Order: sequence, then structure tokens, then C-alpha cells
Amino acid sequence: KNQVEQSPQSLIILEGKNCTLQCNYTVSPFSNLRWYKQDTGRGPVSLTIMTFSENTKSNGRYTATLDADTKQSSLHITASQLSDSASYICVVSDGNAGNMLTFGGGTRLMVKP
Amino acid sequence: DAGVTQSPTHLIKTRGQHVTLRCSPISGHKSVSWYQQVLGQGPQFIFQYYEKEERGRGNFPDRFSARQFPNYSSELNVNALLLGDSALYLCASSLGPGGNGYTFGSGTRLTVV
Repeated sequence: KNQVEQSPQSLIILEGKNCTLQCNYTVSPFSNLRWYKQDTGRGPVSLTIMTFSENTKSNGRYTATLDADTKQSSLHITASQLSDSASYICVVSDGNAGNMLTFGGGTRLMVKP
Repeated sequence: DAGVTQSPTHLIKTRGQHVTLRCSPISGHKSVSWYQQVLGQGPQFIFQYYEKEERGRGNFPDRFSARQFPNYSSELNVNALLLGDSALYLCASSLGPGGNGYTFGSGTRLTVV
């Protein structure tokens, strides 16, 4: 069964600090991995997408890494801002014809002043 | 260009009622997927439609149904509502059934009382 596990479930950090969110997956065959940011009550917004051959991708203060051998990904947020407070969801797409998405449960990040 | 639009944004229904949620994909996108997100959890896949045909179905009861129209917009219908159907319902559109271009709408918040 395809699964995506994220850790920690929730995280509180002070404004300006860095943090790293983790994602482990068992989706097979693997197609791509995406990180989304979701504000409360809103739809997810894509931050990064990585295929099998990519091991790092940045989007401003967000940097995602992918280790396809260990089936792990991380999202690093640098110099956090209050607006970074949101849920961060790891989503893995399988390599079958349907390219179905498997979602992690998300990490709820709160940035405090 | 408008993004993925969903309507209504919020609604409240009583147990046993029926509800119809609507989604308009990004212009040029021919695939629409529906997800249910219960508070505090990641989205769960319900349906995917491509070129007006069902391409995938998640583990949801037959009370849930959907369809896609010739203009690629879509409706999600839920019959005999239960309290547990209360959730944020997300629609995502993409060019095709797979690929990298999933874009989510802001969702419809359904509350069943």
C-alpha cells in the first residue's frame, strides 16, 4: 500500500529561525514528489516538485531534498517568517498510468514572533 | 487567467441531505480530481476525471459520485450526508491524468449538522 509519513506532526519555532520537515514514503513505482503549503481553510499551493533524478530544489527560502534510495525527502525553511505558519504537505505521485497522488498527513508549523 | 474555482466556499447541511459541489478547472486543463480533507489530516483521494471519464476512484462509499462536463468543469455529489462527511473538499486540475501540473482550488468547507 502506498504511504507517505511526515514528521513532526507539529512544530513551533521563533521568527527568523530555520527548520526542517521530514517526509518518508513507500510509493512504488515513484514518479515525483511535491511539497505543498496549505494555509488554514485554503487549498494547497505548490512549493517544489522533484523527479527521481533531482536531489535538491529551491524556491526562495524553501529548499527541498530528495533521496530516492532511502525514499526520504526534507523541506528546509530558512529565516522563517510569521507568514510561514501553515501546514506543509508532502505528496508523492506513483509512476503508473494514473499518476495517483498519495498525501502525507502534513506538518503544522507555527512561527512565533 | 483564473485559477481553479470552487463553489460554494462554505455550506452547512443537515444529516441525510444531499449536496453538490462544483469545480471549474484552469483553462486548458482537462483533468479534475476531488479530495476530502478532514480537519488536521492530509487530503484523501475521492475521484479523478479526464475527458469526461472516470479515471480513478478512492475508497469512498457509493454515496459519493461525480461527473465531468464537456467544458471540463466537474461536480461532486454526496447523498445521505453523515456527520463524518464534514470536511474541506478540494478540487485539483491538471492538463492530463498525470504529470506535474496539479493546481488546487481553495476548497469548499462542508459542515454537516
